[in-house]
Amino acid sequence: AQRVTQPEKLLSVFKGAPVELKCNYSYSGSPELFWYVQYSRQRLQLLLRHISRESIKGFTADLNKGETSFHLKKPFAQEEDSAMYYCALSGPPRGPGGGNKLTFGTGTQLKVEL
Amino acid sequence: GAVVSQHPSWVICKSGTSVKIECRSLDFQATTMFWYRQFPKQSLMLMATSNEGSKATYEQGVEKDKFLINHASLTLSTLTVTSAHPEDSSFYICSAARDRGKTQYFGPGTRLLVL
Repeated sequence: AQRVTQPEKLLSVFKGAPVELKCNYSYSGSPELFWYVQYSRQRLQLLLRHISRESIKGFTADLNKGETSFHLKKPFAQEEDSAMYYCALSGPPRGPGGGNKLTFGTGTQLKVEL
Repeated sequence: GAVVSQHPSWVICKSGTSVKIECRSLDFQATTMFWYRQFPKQSLMLMATSNEGSKATYEQGVEKDKFLINHASLTLSTLTVTSAHPEDSSFYICSAARDRGKTQYFGPGTRLLVL
């Protein structure tokens, strides 16, 4: 069974401080991992995915298969980074359409204080 | 690009009535759409996967007859909550994936309150 664990419900940091949002996963196959962000009163939106190896809004995440982790990092937090962050794992296709199931972690609320 | 809309954004209904929620991909064709449920301060739980032109795939514990899903076209999927009860009150979110891709684009959600 696939599972995503985000151990912190709330993470509070000061502006300019480094941020690390933890994500660990459990999956028997080759994982594909995502970070989604939900700003206040907005829809869930894709932040980044591990296969792209990109940096979005200063955030990066590296897949560590040995530690089964996909932690989200940013060197200097900004006030506008305050949001709910969800780590998600893409699993096997569901149904004939071939779409992949996303399993979400419970989310971490990031609060950046001035 | 990749915009997904939901209608209505919120609905209040009496217990025993049925409620239909629409999910549309506005600028792309979605081979697969997903329906999630989110309780306050909790994560998204996948309810079912909606495939265009075929039956939906439901997750374990989700009643097929309670939550009817129709994916009539590549841009529209509907979720009907039949004979709604107060315990069905929740935030329902859909997402859409294109070209069998693994990236899902999310709708804004529909808040359902059953009295």
